Amino acid sequence: SQQGEEDPQALSIQEGENATMNCSYKTSINNLQWYRQNSGRGLVHLILIRSNEREKHSGRLRVTLDTSKKSSSLLITASRAADTASYFCATRRGSQGNLIFGKGTKLSVKP
Amino acid sequence: EAGVVQSPRYKIIEKKQPVAFWCNPISGHNTLYWYLQNLGQGPELLIRYENEEAVDDSQLPKDRFSAERLKGVDSTLKIQPAELGDSAVYLCASSPRDNEQFFGPGTRLTVL
Repeated sequence: SQQGEEDPQALSIQEGENATMNCSYKTSINNLQWYRQNSGRGLVHLILIRSNEREKHSGRLRVTLDTSKKSSSLLITASRAADTASYFCATRRGSQGNLIFGKGTKLSVKP
Repeated sequence: EAGVVQSPRYKIIEKKQPVAFWCNPISGHNTLYWYLQNLGQGPELLIRYENEEAVDDSQLPKDRFSAERLKGVDSTLKIQPAELGDSAVYLCASSPRDNEQFFGPGTRLTVL
């Protein structure tokens, strides 16, 4: 079963623009993680945000978490063609629980 | 540092045939996961190992799927017999502790 739901399912932007992807989930969580998957490849971990954190930055990535709304957003600033990939959010309920992945957002950045 | 290694990368078989996938995790990673990923979907956990112990196999269809992680290092996932609906990408991931996961490139299985 998949807990996270990413929105939108697909997003197409021009290079240099910002891309925002959202994730909603259903149950309380210990942490939420974002992963990127290039076509035909495995997933790559981008960033982890814990339930007691509200915002986190890593390079051009900014993640927010609103536990009251059970939602998170991933912002990629100044996008590049190389950012073209699918982006998944994954939630962990307890400190020892399994990761539950959403269906992903397919991002296309046109040069 | 080498990443998670999976083989084969691609496998095409006829239905009812057996198939096996192999995974070598990152050295030192105690936790190993097998996921199934259907087209356009996120990964879904099949089994999680802590060292050589399968701590969560609740999503593994045990009538046809089996897995092992002898000596707590590399792991094999087997399907016997394969069905048409098993066509998917099988991903292996490892983690030094139960947090950030490192994924292999996956094995794309096509069942004809």
